[in-house]
Order: sequence, then structure tokens, then C-alpha cells
Amino acid sequence: AQKVTQAQTEISVVEKEDVTLDCVYETRDTTYYLFWYKQPPSGELVFLIRRNSFDEQNEISGRYSWNFQKSTSSFNFTITASQVVDSAVYFCALSEESSGSRLTFGEGTQLTVNP
Amino acid sequence: DVKVTQSSRYLVKRTGEKVFLECVQDMDHENMFWYRQDPGLGLRLIYFSYDVKMKEKGDIPEGYSVSREKKERFSLILESASTNQTSMYLCASSLLLGVYGYTFGSGTRLTVV
Repeated sequence: AQKVTQAQTEISVVEKEDVTLDCVYETRDTTYYLFWYKQPPSGELVFLIRRNSFDEQNEISGRYSWNFQKSTSSFNFTITASQVVDSAVYFCALSEESSGSRLTFGEGTQLTVNP
Repeated sequence: DVKVTQSSRYLVKRTGEKVFLECVQDMDHENMFWYRQDPGLGLRLIYFSYDVKMKEKGDIPEGYSVSREKKERFSLILESASTNQTSMYLCASSLLLGVYGYTFGSGTRLTVV
């Protein structure tokens, strides 16, 4: 069965600090997909990134970067030079072929960036 | 852009009432989902649907039912609302399951008193 763990319930940083959100997953499949979503105070989950299990290249998008390591079953998310607008709940999610590709979400990490 | 619209942002209902939460998507997606979100528990899947008139139980279907009479609309029904169903409810749709992820609505915050 698939499982996603986000051990950090809440993180608080000061603007311009770098912050890393951890995500650890469990799956028996060789083909799976990993996702990160952002949920701002407005409530709507916003898609940030998708990664398939065969592509371990790290990705950078502006101030956002993702580190995918199959050896440790982790898919961590780093925000560089954080801004107040980054304050949100961030969810990591996993889908695997054997379970009909349903998305399983982690518990979420509440990030607060203080001015 | 795909849009998923949930009819109500906030709802307050009484215990025992029958409650309908409506969700509409405008991009012809086959797959639709209902999740509830509670602090510390993340998002938990209630029901999902692969096609019109098809439905599958998720992880926490007890106390809920769904209806999908048209491809674009997926309704969540609380047959007899209880206080433990107070939660944020999120609807989502997707084109290819798991591959492209989901597009979510803004959520309905339901309070049962």
C-alpha cells in the first residue's frame, strides 16, 4: 500500500530564509508519480510539480527546487529566499499504477513566512 | 485552464439533515474525486468516479454517497449529517489518473451543528 509522510507539521521562517519541506513515501511499485501541491489560505490546491519514478533529475523552477532520491524514498521541496506569499499548506502526494493511480496525500506542512 | 467549481464556499447544516455538495468541471475529464481535509490528517479520499454513473469507494466512504449523472458533475451526499462530518470538502478532476495529477476546486467548508 502506498503511503506518504510529511513529518513537519508546521514550519515558521523569516522572510528571505531558505526552507526545506520533507516528504518520504512508501510504495512497492516500480512505476509511480510524485507531486507537490500548495494550498494558500484561499483553500484551492495548486499543482506545483510532478515527477515520475524513472526521472531522478532534480528540478528548479525559480525559487523552488525539488530533490528526488529513490535510495531514501524522499521527494523534498526547497524554497529559496522565502517570501510572505509562500505562506501556505504544502502537500506531497503519490500515485502508483497498482492502486489505480489514485493520489495519496501526506498530512501537509503549514509554512509560515514572517516579514 | 481547467476549472473545477464547487457550488458553496461555506455551509452550515443541522444534524440529521440531508446535505448535497455539488462539483462541476469544464474540461471533459473522465475522473472526479471527493476528498475531505482535516487538520493533521491531510486529504482523505471519500469517493471517486471513472465515468458517468460509475463510482468507487475511497478510504472513508461511511456516511456518504455520490451521484454522477453527467460527466461534468459529481455530487457528494451526506444522507444524515453528523457533527463528525464537519470538515473541508474538496472536489477534484483529472484527465489521466495519476499521470497529470488533479485539478482541485476551492473547497466547501461544512459545519454541522
